[in-house]
Amino acid sequence: SQQGEEDPQALSIQEGENATMNCSYKTSINNLQWYRQNSGRGLVHLILIRSNEREKHSGRLRVTLDTSKKSSSLLITASRAADTASYFCATDLNSKLTFGKGITLSVRP
Amino acid sequence: DADVTQTPRNRITKTGKRIMLECSQTKGHDRMYWYRQDPGLGLRLIYYSFDVKDINKGEISDGYSVSRQAQAKFSLSLESAIPNQTALYFCATSDPGTGTSNEKLFFGSGTQLSVL
Repeated sequence: SQQGEEDPQALSIQEGENATMNCSYKTSINNLQWYRQNSGRGLVHLILIRSNEREKHSGRLRVTLDTSKKSSSLLITASRAADTASYFCATDLNSKLTFGKGITLSVRP
Repeated sequence: DADVTQTPRNRITKTGKRIMLECSQTKGHDRMYWYRQDPGLGLRLIYYSFDVKDINKGEISDGYSVSRQAQAKFSLSLESAIPNQTALYFCATSDPGTGTSNEKLFFGSGTQLSVL
């Protein structure tokens, strides 16, 4: 069964705007990761946040984790057309990574 | 050259045929995984291997088998393919680093399999 569940399922924004994607999960985790997939290609790791961390930054990416609410959010600032892709959250428990169904992000030029 | 290479990239086969998907990696990672991706369902784990002598079933292993021929090679077989195994299949590797928690996965480009 899916552990992570992303919200919204699809998001369309204008270039330059910020994109916020959310992920909720059901059980305890070791860490939570976000991946990106460009149209049918392999997934690429974006960022990892451990269960004892609350916020992490990497370039234009900011991820937060609230273990009490079992939720995470990924913020992409100043979006670009090239950010158009599907984004997946994945939860790590006991060295097994479980993926959500993904969010489709469209950034309009 | 890609660090995680999957062959073939595309495959069309008929119901009942045996088919093997291959994965090789040059990252030197001990851990390897097979996932399948279906539209609207995300990725689901089929099998995983933490070293050459270790094979574990994932969430949806029925109808599949695997072989870990070497640290660098992990193949997925469909003994008798059926249409609902039509999907995009991904191989991935990881290096656990310190501790038992998994670290990030590195994915191949995928194999699109169609079973008619």
